[in-house]
Amino acid sequence: EPEVTQTPSHQVTQMGQEVILRCVPISNHLYFYWYRQILGQKVEFLVSFYNNEISEKSEIFDDQFSVERPDGSNFTLKIRSTKLEDSAMYFCASSVGTWDLDEKLFFGSGTQLSVL
Amino acid sequence: GENVEQHPSTLSVQEGDSAVIKCTYSDSASNYFPWYKQELGKRPQLIIDIRSNVGEKKDQRIAVTLNKTAKHFSLHITETQPEDSAVYFCAAGGYNFNKFYFGSGTKLNVKP
Repeated sequence: EPEVTQTPSHQVTQMGQEVILRCVPISNHLYFYWYRQILGQKVEFLVSFYNNEISEKSEIFDDQFSVERPDGSNFTLKIRSTKLEDSAMYFCASSVGTWDLDEKLFFGSGTQLSVL
Repeated sequence: GENVEQHPSTLSVQEGDSAVIKCTYSDSASNYFPWYKQELGKRPQLIIDIRSNVGEKKDQRIAVTLNKTAKHFSLHITETQPEDSAVYFCAAGGYNFNKFYFGSGTKLNVKP
C-alpha cells in the first residue's frame, strides 16, 4: 500500500536555526498538508497546499513558516528561525482530491523536531 | 472556526468490555468525521470514518455514530483487546480536509 514518507524521522536544531522538513506524498495525490503535535497534545492543522499554492492555513502558520513543492515529488515545510515552542512532531499528509465518498487523509510517520 | 471536544481523556476497561469515546463539534458545515488510532511515537492511523449523509457505520468490532442535529459523534469498540490500547483521536472537517480539526485524544487502556 502506498505511504506518505517523511524525512528525517528526528531533527535536532539550535534555537534560531532554519530547518526544512521533507515529505513525499502519495504519487497520485493532489492535496498536501502539514500538521503538528506537541507532546501529549492534540494534532493541529498548519497548512494545506494545492496546485502549487497554499489553500488554507491556521493561526499557527505565521511568517516563520513556509511550504514548497520544489519538484514533482517532494513537499517541504521550512521554519526560518526556530523557537523552543516549535518542538513537536510534524506530520505530513496527503489526499487524492476527488472529494468522493472514499476520500481519505493519509498521514506520514512524522518528523520529531527538537529545538534546543 | 471548528472546535472539537473529546471525552473522556482517559478510559480504562477490562478486556472484553466495550469502550465508548464521544466527540462534539461546533461547525455545522463539517461533514466528514474520522477516527484515528495513534500508538506511541507513530502516525495517526485511520480506523473508521463517517460522513454526514449517514448516521452509523460499522466495521467488525468498531462502530461510529453521528448525530448531526446535536453535533456529536461517538466511537464504539466492542470486545476490547489489549492491542486496542492506544490514543484515539476524533476529527471533524469539511469536504476537502482543509482546516481539519482534531479532538484532544482519549488514552484507552485495555487491561488483560
